[in-house]
Amino acid sequence: DTAVSQTPKYLVTQMGNDKSIKCEQNLGHDTMYWYKQDSKKFLKIMFSYNNKELIINETVPNRFSPKSPDKAHLNLHINSLELGDSAVYFCASSQSAGSSYEQYFGPGTRLTVT
Amino acid sequence: AQSVTQLDSHVSVSEGTPVLLRCNYSSSYSPSLFWYVQHPNKGLQLLLKYTSAATLVKGINGFEAEFKKSETSFHLTKPSAHMSDAAEYFCVVSDPPSGTYKYIFGTGTRLKVLA
Repeated sequence: DTAVSQTPKYLVTQMGNDKSIKCEQNLGHDTMYWYKQDSKKFLKIMFSYNNKELIINETVPNRFSPKSPDKAHLNLHINSLELGDSAVYFCASSQSAGSSYEQYFGPGTRLTVT
Repeated sequence: AQSVTQLDSHVSVSEGTPVLLRCNYSSSYSPSLFWYVQHPNKGLQLLLKYTSAATLVKGINGFEAEFKKSETSFHLTKPSAHMSDAAEYFCVVSDPPSGTYKYIFGTGTRLKVLA
């Protein structure tokens, strides 16, 4: 069984469109995250939810809106897609929000905006 | 502010020789430190973590890292490289600057293993 899964794996779309990426974890974790990995492989956190409550909201355009319907799911909706949104987006989860808890990552969603 | 510096963007070693990937961190607190590996077109996998217990940490696939507070370093080593070790490696610091806990990633080190 996959611990952290994301759909879709690849997403190709045009500028101005709206798209969503879904994430699910079956580890029973309380905390989930979204990361963006740019073309130079640099990873930066975007959002984090703990027990469905938003606890980290980095400087991200408000075109990006996370939603956590329950502890096992964290979705990312992106409005009015721009070329600069092209990246790999990773979902992750951890047992809790403490600094010592390791995070488990999904396989990533490669978003290409044309 | 917390930060992590990976001193080499690329490292090449021959198969069977030792691996050393260097990481220095900056933190005002007692940090937790992690090493992750990312194989091409894959997600990140945890290799090992340090959370203020033993300073020498053993991980998966023969990797280990030593936490040296005096040098603010957390270098990753492996005695003998295998072709399957070729990947991108990320050093991560995690500590609570303001009550929220988040990972700060290094810029990554690409390890190449030569036959």
